[in-house]
Amino acid sequence: DQQVKQNSPSLSVQEGRISILNCDYTNSMFDYFLWYKKYPAEGPTFLISISSIKDKNEDGRFTVFLNKSAKHLSLHIVPSQPGDSAVYFCAASDLTGNQFYFGTGTSLTVIP
Amino acid sequence: DAGVTQSPTHLIKTRGQQVTLRCSPKSGHDTVSWYQQALGQGPQFIFQYYEEEERQRGNFPDRFSGHQFPNYSSELNVNALLLGDSALYLCASSRLWTGAAEQYFGPGTRLTVT
Repeated sequence: DQQVKQNSPSLSVQEGRISILNCDYTNSMFDYFLWYKKYPAEGPTFLISISSIKDKNEDGRFTVFLNKSAKHLSLHIVPSQPGDSAVYFCAASDLTGNQFYFGTGTSLTVIP
Repeated sequence: DAGVTQSPTHLIKTRGQQVTLRCSPKSGHDTVSWYQQALGQGPQFIFQYYEEEERQRGNFPDRFSGHQFPNYSSELNVNALLLGDSALYLCASSRLWTGAAEQYFGPGTRLTVT
């Protein structure tokens, strides 16, 4: 049972434009959401997070939006850079943070 | 400061065999979690260790077991290997109660079962 879903396996964006990566979840007990970035041959690296009490969190070029009623979150990258090309995973947990559920990932390619 | 390290990098085993994967956490971290990432999938939580005990377990059979040592390093053992156990196994370390943002992943061990 996939509780966190990323329905777009891949995304291509021109350098300088906005990248929008989407994630849906089914478990209403999830309270904490994260985005990880993964390069080949490396482990996932934490990018940005948001708790359920917020609807937006911003860190430089990265912004995560949370819509709890729709059980949907998105990651915006503006402006996109070639170095952003990687696989992005969405993950979620309840308040304990003991167990994280990951989506299947979206491979982002930023074209110079 | 070395981050999370895992060994070996790659491993090939035969069905029915047993395998042990190793993880050294980032300095200052006391909690280790293990994940399985099958091809084309996201990481799936196997279990988490703290103070040498299993704190939380995901939906994995008893063939998957682990251990944490006094120096916080950890091992993942898989018995009676199946073809479906072929995956990238990721180790993540953190300090208890510091939250997921402080969870650091290692590069993983690629296990192939033939």
